[in-house]
Amino acid sequence: GAVVSQHPSWVICKSGTSVKIECRSLDFQATTMFWYRQFPKQSLMLMATSNEGSKATYEQGVEKDKFLINHASLTLSTLTVTSAHPEDSSFYICSARELLGLAETQYFGPGTRLLVL
Amino acid sequence: AQKVTQAQTEISVVEKEDVTLDCVYETRDTTYYLFWYKQPPSGELVFLIRRNSFDEQNEISGRYSWNFQKSTSSFNFTITASQVVDSAVYFCALSEANSGGSNYKLTFGKGTLLTVNP
Repeated sequence: GAVVSQHPSWVICKSGTSVKIECRSLDFQATTMFWYRQFPKQSLMLMATSNEGSKATYEQGVEKDKFLINHASLTLSTLTVTSAHPEDSSFYICSARELLGLAETQYFGPGTRLLVL
Repeated sequence: AQKVTQAQTEISVVEKEDVTLDCVYETRDTTYYLFWYKQPPSGELVFLIRRNSFDEQNEISGRYSWNFQKSTSSFNFTITASQVVDSAVYFCALSEANSGGSNYKLTFGKGTLLTVNP
């Protein structure tokens, strides 16, 4: 099956620093990737849709200058949390969309746990 | 607007019991996809099944089975002879297309925490 990797798996940083998270589709090309945020015991919240070669589309309420997304290739999207603060601490999950004919499925990475001190 | 309801927040069963996780959805689209994902304690979402809106056939995969009924807008998931390793949060999701017909976004339910006790 399709495999998506995410790096790092966890990160602890000081308030004010920037953190970059990578999402890679390992065995398929993904023109579209998605970034989600999940708080403990809650569902996934879509933050943005990342399209290869174009600007990301952000969901309402998500600060695009805070969460920078770059989809530089068909297998890599990055999320940079700029000037991170404790309230940005969360579990960030990416997914990559595989399209086979008319059928599409999102495959998820293992997630990145961010703790901002 | 798209909506997915998983009314069961938590379910606890004893190993070998059968358990059904409910999922009810709302959409105005005539073409859509339904999904189930499993999220074990490690956090990674594992894809279980995709069903498109034109295929109402039920599906069985080992101990897992899915019942899709458009008449009731439901896509329920049954685990037969549950095992401790089935303990996880299970999410039902619905995909929509934006106005351009691409960039399908997933709308997730709130998830059901299944605990299988030995």
